[in-house]
Amino acid sequence: NAGVTQTPKFQVLKTGQSMTLQCAQDMNHEYMSWYRQDPGMGLRLIHYSVGAGITDQGEVPNGYNVSRSTTEDFPLRLLSAAPSQTSVYFCASSSTGGGRPNTEAFFGQGTRLTVV
Amino acid sequence: KQEVTQIPAALSVPEGENLVLNCSFTDSAIYNLQWFRQDPGKGLTSLLLIQSSQREQTSGRLNASLDKSSGRSTLYIAASQPGDSATYLCAVIIVRGSWGKFQFGAGTQVVVTP
Repeated sequence: NAGVTQTPKFQVLKTGQSMTLQCAQDMNHEYMSWYRQDPGMGLRLIHYSVGAGITDQGEVPNGYNVSRSTTEDFPLRLLSAAPSQTSVYFCASSSTGGGRPNTEAFFGQGTRLTVV
Repeated sequence: KQEVTQIPAALSVPEGENLVLNCSFTDSAIYNLQWFRQDPGKGLTSLLLIQSSQREQTSGRLNASLDKSSGRSTLYIAASQPGDSATYLCAVIIVRGSWGKFQFGAGTQVVVTP
């Protein structure tokens, strides 16, 4: 059971470049989410999804896009990378009851992104 | 807006001592609360999940309590070991409309010295 898999683990981008961070889970979880973790800021929610075709914004959505075409995958797209997006990105999934995450969350190992 | 605070930000104890980690939240209308462990350069590992109707959960040397009325949760780790050195984060699940969201504290960095 692989759990939550994120790729790539490390990435360096130039300002203005775009890229997609991949996230896949094999637990048939409805709820998936993306966070960024910055020193002294804790984890902040970027976007989340409660099922295929349903997404919503979190705390810091600007500069990021998401879509959810399947239960398993929830990619995060950076449209035009900026140095302020240098961070560690985590994807998480959990099961839901009525659209609310009511079981424990499982996290991927993270993607360390540097924008120069 | 829900605020989640973890105090202290860092803690160092000798091996064998019990650890007490605190998590406070400002809005008592939480759905549940989860404690995580994060090792340097790694992802988050779930330790304990407490449903809003529960007052505590136990797993091995770990015990977490939840007092919604006072907006507090405490994680106890008995007889600490050097392998317990990590950052511990708490997260509350808050309900907004039809959906729920995790709100994290900034974490407590723990060092257990041999």
